[in-house]
Amino acid sequence: GAVVSQHPSRVICKSGTSVKIECRSLDFQATTMFWYRQFPKQSLMLMATSNEGSKATYEQGVEKDKFLINHASLTLSTLTVTSAHPEDSSFYICSARDLSALAGGYNEQFFGPGTRLTVL
Amino acid sequence: AQSVTQLDSQVPVFEEAPVELRCNYSSSVSVYLFWYVQYPNQGLQLLLKYLSGSTLVKGINGFEAEFNKSQTSFHLRKPSVHISDTAEYFCAVSEIRGAGNMLTFGGGTRLMVKP
Repeated sequence: GAVVSQHPSRVICKSGTSVKIECRSLDFQATTMFWYRQFPKQSLMLMATSNEGSKATYEQGVEKDKFLINHASLTLSTLTVTSAHPEDSSFYICSARDLSALAGGYNEQFFGPGTRLTVL
Repeated sequence: AQSVTQLDSQVPVFEEAPVELRCNYSSSVSVYLFWYVQYPNQGLQLLLKYLSGSTLVKGINGFEAEFNKSQTSFHLRKPSVHISDTAEYFCAVSEIRGAGNMLTFGGGTRLMVKP
């Protein structure tokens, strides 16, 4: 089955530093990846859609200069939280869409295990 | 715009009892429907999905869900739960003609199975 990995699984950083999170599709090519944010005991909120070779599309209210997304290859997208602050502490989850997994007109998304970011 | 409402934030249930987790959605167009499970500090795992055809969908771990178009619902059921089913469950929709098959999630329901 399609596997998506994230690295690191946990990261603790000081306020003001930048943190990079990687999302990889291990056994399929993903032209589109999605980045979600999940606060404790809350649902997933889509932050941005990452397209290989082009600029990411950010959801309303998400600062593109703070959350830098790069999708340089068909198997890797990165999210960089710049100048992190305690309020950026959250669980970040990526998903990747497998274009070969087309069923009933729907391209399934496969989710990574998530990255817990704690900003001190 | 689409939206998803999970009516219960928490559902406590005893082991081996049946359970139903409720999900209602709103959309101006036809949708695909999904249930995901999330264990602590993990990503999402797909339980089941409705794309078309039979309105009763069977998924993994003994779960099933029924799509009811008139009531715009997609409730998740299991006839007998186990302790290991304790987790957070998310209902999600994707508009069939929407750009990029993007998912909109409900607020989640925490299933707590007691011995």
